[in-house]
Amino acid sequence: GDSVTQMEGPVTLSEEAFLTINCTYTATGYPSLFWYVQYPGEGLQLLLKATKADDKGSNKGFEATYRKETTSFHLEKGSVQVSDSAVYFCALDGGSQGNLIFGKGTKLSVKP
Amino acid sequence: GAVVSQHPSWVICKSGTSVKIECRSLDFQATTMFWYRQFPKQSLMLMATSNEGSKATYEQGVEKDKFLINHASLTLSTLTVTSAHPEDSSFYICSARPLAGGWSEQFFGPGTRLTVL
Repeated sequence: GDSVTQMEGPVTLSEEAFLTINCTYTATGYPSLFWYVQYPGEGLQLLLKATKADDKGSNKGFEATYRKETTSFHLEKGSVQVSDSAVYFCALDGGSQGNLIFGKGTKLSVKP
Repeated sequence: GAVVSQHPSWVICKSGTSVKIECRSLDFQATTMFWYRQFPKQSLMLMATSNEGSKATYEQGVEKDKFLINHASLTLSTLTVTSAHPEDSSFYICSARPLAGGWSEQFFGPGTRLTVL
């Protein structure tokens, strides 16, 4: 079945550092790809998404490009802030009910 | 934006008791709500899909008699963990798909931490 693999955390960075969180997927069709963020004590929030190959999703300085040839959707940000500290989940919409299939999540901690 | 609430946010109960968790879409109607379970350092795993006015669809390996789901209105779904045991301790998260939303559009609740002693 469809699945998502993302890099293990935790990731600890200094403020203004460059961030990459790797995400690869396996899917039988052409899913939409998502990055969700979960801040402490809050629910998952959609960060960005891409619906087809070569699409780039972007939001709040974060970017990810849907790469069909490498089956990847890596999350990047050029300069992280302390407020970016959260858990990031990569997901695809491969579920038969329209549900999302998630990676294990990557915890990011940004130090001042 | 669309808001989904869960109640309670955390609950501690004794083994053998039942616990009900509510999931509400506060400012939109949801034909479908999903219930996920998250173990520590694991991804969210879909437990069941709840459609308003019909029986829930359970994922393989999820006991429907243990995890009772009711979706009585377009804004409320409940998950009842019956005769809870320590292995049911987990983080339960719901999401809701808007009536007018896309197939994969959904909004998540903040989750409920269940601890069974």
